[in-house]
Amino acid sequence: EAQVTQNPRYLITVTGKKLTVTCSQNMNHEYMSWYRQDPGLGLRQIYYSMNVEVTDKGDVPEGYKVSRKEKRNFPLILESPSPNQTSLYFCASSLRAGGRDNSPLHFGNGTRLTVT
Amino acid sequence: AQTVTQSQPEMSVQEAETVTLSCTYDTSESDYYLFWYKQPPSRQMILVIRQEAYKQQNATENRFSVNFQKAAKSFSLKISDSQLGDAAMYFCAYRSGRASGTYKYIFGTGTRLKVLA
Repeated sequence: EAQVTQNPRYLITVTGKKLTVTCSQNMNHEYMSWYRQDPGLGLRQIYYSMNVEVTDKGDVPEGYKVSRKEKRNFPLILESPSPNQTSLYFCASSLRAGGRDNSPLHFGNGTRLTVT
Repeated sequence: AQTVTQSQPEMSVQEAETVTLSCTYDTSESDYYLFWYKQPPSRQMILVIRQEAYKQQNATENRFSVNFQKAAKSFSLKISDSQLGDAAMYFCAYRSGRASGTYKYIFGTGTRLKVLA
């Protein structure tokens, strides 16, 4: 089944304890991206990747890191989480993002992160 | 910078009736793509419909259609014959085309749709 798999679905952690949220897609998509969803703010893009070893900042990259060493994986790293990073996080992928291509985003099921 | 505005935080519709959700955006680009996504209580994000800016014809997917007004920078979603399963949060999204050199997605703040039986 074609899908984007995010893990974990729920995570509670403490301030300053490094964590990684994993994201994997099995559709050979070039484009992958991370979003956070907060009430009243909608989804905001954190980072995106056009392909292996190509990443760029979205609108809210501060406090986050990403890497794209393999095409299928795009982990989100919080090196020193803070309470303001408590949010619902989504990973998403699409076939590509450039050119005359209207391929939509395919989303993972989300990760609810709480930082205390 | 591009922006997407959904001015209706919440809407209600009677089952079997028609409802229109509004979305406006601001951009200086001529080539871009617009999407509507649905997020039911399960929190999954599901594509509803998409529109290419270079196409004048409004997109349609079964009971869902858009009214794309490029000059007015408006991209509203019409849901006909509303069903209980349409109850969800709806997000409008903008994506730049190749000419911009950036591949960011900009989402609106969402409209929560309630369907009344």
